[in-house]
Amino acid sequence: AAGVIQSPRHLIKEKRETATLKCYPIPRHDTVYWYQQGPGQDPQFLISFYEKMQSDKGSIPDRFSAQQFSDYHSELNMSSLELGDSALYFCASSSEGQRSPLHFGNGTRLTVT
Amino acid sequence: GENVEQHPSTLSVQEGDSAVIKCTYSDSASNYFPWYKQELGKGPQLIIDIRSNVGEKKDQRIAVTLNKTAKHFSLHITETQPEDSAVYFCAARLVYNFNKFYFGSGTKLNVKP
Repeated sequence: AAGVIQSPRHLIKEKRETATLKCYPIPRHDTVYWYQQGPGQDPQFLISFYEKMQSDKGSIPDRFSAQQFSDYHSELNMSSLELGDSALYFCASSSEGQRSPLHFGNGTRLTVT
Repeated sequence: GENVEQHPSTLSVQEGDSAVIKCTYSDSASNYFPWYKQELGKGPQLIIDIRSNVGEKKDQRIAVTLNKTAKHFSLHITETQPEDSAVYFCAARLVYNFNKFYFGSGTKLNVKP
């Protein structure tokens, strides 16, 4: 079965640079979520989109923005990167209409040096 | 909002023994409780879930129980195997906001051969 696809898998950036993470949800899933996971921590919710509109917002810094496109893929844009932004970033998708479970991708490991 | 607490934070068992991980939630409006297994370098994978109209659910060596009155739910793994070693997260979702999942802090399970 198709899963959530994230790219890139690994990303190394320097402080103050920008980064763009991409997420392709499971086909026919209309809701996308972004999570940040630090070492030894549980996933922290950043933001979600339903049918291309922002549906909820968590602890996402103002330096970050995200959107969901017409093909339902999503991108997380991160600017003015800080050392503390180094983490695993997960995208997850679900089908709100069916109230389906959350399915995660394998994440993007961002390292800021 | 919802608050999910998970215990223990680490659990070490001998291969073949059972493992139990417990979670409590605060909002009685939560009606969906998934469990995720996260292996190193991978995204959380859904292993079992339960809805509030059910008290117990089993899938081979894995079972989840739910006590709505006490607001707690548990993951039971029987006949543990080394490949069960991972971090396990519980989560809860509110009936009136199925875009939002609240995660526990995770349990690192180590199954010793």
